[in-house]
Amino acid sequence: KQEVTQIPAALSVPEGENLVLNCSFTDSAIYNLQWFRQDPGKGLTSLLLIQSSQREQTSGRLNASLDKSSGRSTLYIAASQPGDSATYLCAVRSTDSGNTPLVFGKGTRLSVIA
Amino acid sequence: DAGVTQSPTHLIKTRGQQVTLRCSPKSGHDTVSWYQQALGQGPQFIFQYYEEEERQRGNFPDRFSGHQFPNYSSELNVNALLLGDSALYLCASSPRGWYPDGYTFGSGTRLTVV
Repeated sequence: KQEVTQIPAALSVPEGENLVLNCSFTDSAIYNLQWFRQDPGKGLTSLLLIQSSQREQTSGRLNASLDKSSGRSTLYIAASQPGDSATYLCAVRSTDSGNTPLVFGKGTRLSVIA
Repeated sequence: DAGVTQSPTHLIKTRGQQVTLRCSPKSGHDTVSWYQQALGQGPQFIFQYYEEEERQRGNFPDRFSGHQFPNYSSELNVNALLLGDSALYLCASSPRGWYPDGYTFGSGTRLTVV
């Protein structure tokens, strides 16, 4: 059974810092990995999707890497801003036919202090 | 291009009652998945529908049931509500087969059982 762990559970940093959020998964046979952002009480916004054959994806100040063999992914946020404050969720889709469901971690709650 | 639409946004029900939540998928998507997110937790997969049938199901009791209509919209029904059913219910849509953009989530329905 796939399990996803995110460390740390919460993080508070001053504005302008570069930071790294970690995600680990127990079964390396994944199809892809997706990072989401969730504002309090809101739905999920997809940030980056990495296919199992890829090593990293970049979007603006965000960079996500994937090391499938070690079961790890990191989300790097450069020059953090107060608007980045949210919960960041990592989710994996296992190697399977059809639209297999996502397995989520519990998230990292990020606070960027001005 | 409308994304995933969920209704209602908030709902308060009494223990023992029944509730129906609704979801309209993103244009071009024919598969709908439902997730339950308790406070402070990652989303948990409930079930997935396509071609108007339940295709996959997570570890949820039979009190949770669903339906998909010919226009691909979907309903989630929960009977005999328990206090523990209080959560954010998220709907996600995707196209069948290869989908480089991953799942698209709605803003969710916040259900409170009192």
